Amino acid sequence: KNEVEQSPQNLTAQEGEFITINCSYSVGISALHWLQQHPGGGIVSLFMLSSGKKKHGRLIATINIQEKHSSLHITASHPRDSAVYICAVTGNQFYFGTGTSLTVIP
Amino acid sequence: DTGVSQDPRHKITKRGQNVTFRCDPISEHNRLYWYRQTLGQGPEFLTYFQNEAQLEKSRLLSDRFSAERPKGSFSTLEIQRTEQGDSAMYLCASSHFSGQTYEQYFGPGTRLTVT
Repeated sequence: KNEVEQSPQNLTAQEGEFITINCSYSVGISALHWLQQHPGGGIVSLFMLSSGKKKHGRLIATINIQEKHSSLHITASHPRDSAVYICAVTGNQFYFGTGTSLTVIP
Repeated sequence: DTGVSQDPRHKITKRGQNVTFRCDPISEHNRLYWYRQTLGQGPEFLTYFQNEAQLEKSRLLSDRFSAERPKGSFSTLEIQRTEQGDSAMYLCASSHFSGQTYEQYFGPGTRLTVT
């Protein structure tokens, strides 16, 4: 069993749609990270959360510590949002989800 | 400082050869991490350093793998006697304490292909 589970694995959306990616984890954590990885491998850190909610532009990340669950929302999605979104947690060790591959169609 | 850099970006080697990768972190960051990512999977933690001390190593890091950060700045990851299963993207990240925890900044990765 993976310590971090993401859903869905793959997601295709029309431009403008509201998108939600979910992350559940089973270990104690000090922080949860949402990462974006474009083709070619470069990883960018989008959010680091330990509680509540953060917003950056069209991206919103929430975390529920009691339920061990986080969501990443993208409002008014755009083709340039197409990427793999990875949830990762830091606790005693470092655990990554397998990622959600998002394709936004014009 | 423009971020975390890694060298080389791509490496093709024959099975059995040794390879060494370098990571230059963001200059004021005291933590440095190595990860491995295979196709279609998320990154897997390999090891991390605080300054020059290697604080944790994953069970994934077999005795063919060794990492160093001799002066607490750049780090090297060496793989001896490479195997085809070592083919992966090797990612480096660095971090500093942001008040609550360590936020990581990733390098572009070194893609290793073992033929």
